[in-house]
Amino acid sequence: AQSVAQPEDQVNVAEGNPLTVKCTYSVSGNPYLFWYVQYPNRGLQFLLKYITGDNLVKGSYGFEAEFNKSQTSFHLKKPSALVSDSALYFCAVRDRGNTPLVFGKGTRLSVIA
Amino acid sequence: NAGVTQTPKFQVLKTGQSMTLQCAQDMNHNSMYWYRQDPGMGLRLIYYSASEGTTDKGEVPNGYNVSRLNKREFSLRLESAAPSQTSVYFCASSERALRGVRETQYFGPGTRLLVL
Repeated sequence: AQSVAQPEDQVNVAEGNPLTVKCTYSVSGNPYLFWYVQYPNRGLQFLLKYITGDNLVKGSYGFEAEFNKSQTSFHLKKPSALVSDSALYFCAVRDRGNTPLVFGKGTRLSVIA
Repeated sequence: NAGVTQTPKFQVLKTGQSMTLQCAQDMNHNSMYWYRQDPGMGLRLIYYSASEGTTDKGEVPNGYNVSRLNKREFSLRLESAAPSQTSVYFCASSERALRGVRETQYFGPGTRLLVL
């Protein structure tokens, strides 16, 4: 069965510093990987996805993520954090068969001015 | 283009009452989903509809039923609400389910449900 882990419930970072939100996964075969962001009292918004090809994926709002097959990771990164990046971030994964997406439990990012 | 809309935004029910959560999308997507979000649990899939006329159970289907009324609308029904169903419910849609490239899901704003 596929699964995804976000090992940190909370990440705090100072504005202007680089940020990383961690995600590891477990699937049979090659994965499809997604990152979503949720602002307070809103639905989830798509940030980026890895389907195939280049391991470094660039997404919305300056975010990027690197697919690392050997470490089964798909960490979300941004070179310089903004206060407006403060939100709840979800990693999601599925295999290439007929199974729906599985979401992680979410990581709350807090960017401090 | 409203995207995915959900009604109501907030609802309070008593144990045993029934209600239907409505979801509609105007993106001509084939696939629609219902999730519930609980603190510390992330999003869990309740049911999904890969295409008009089909529905499938997700991770936590017990206590729920769904209807894919047409391509645009996908409703979630609680026949006899229980306090354990207190949650935030999200509807989502995608162009195609289970097809990777076209599976990017677009979410509605959510329905907050409180069952007393």
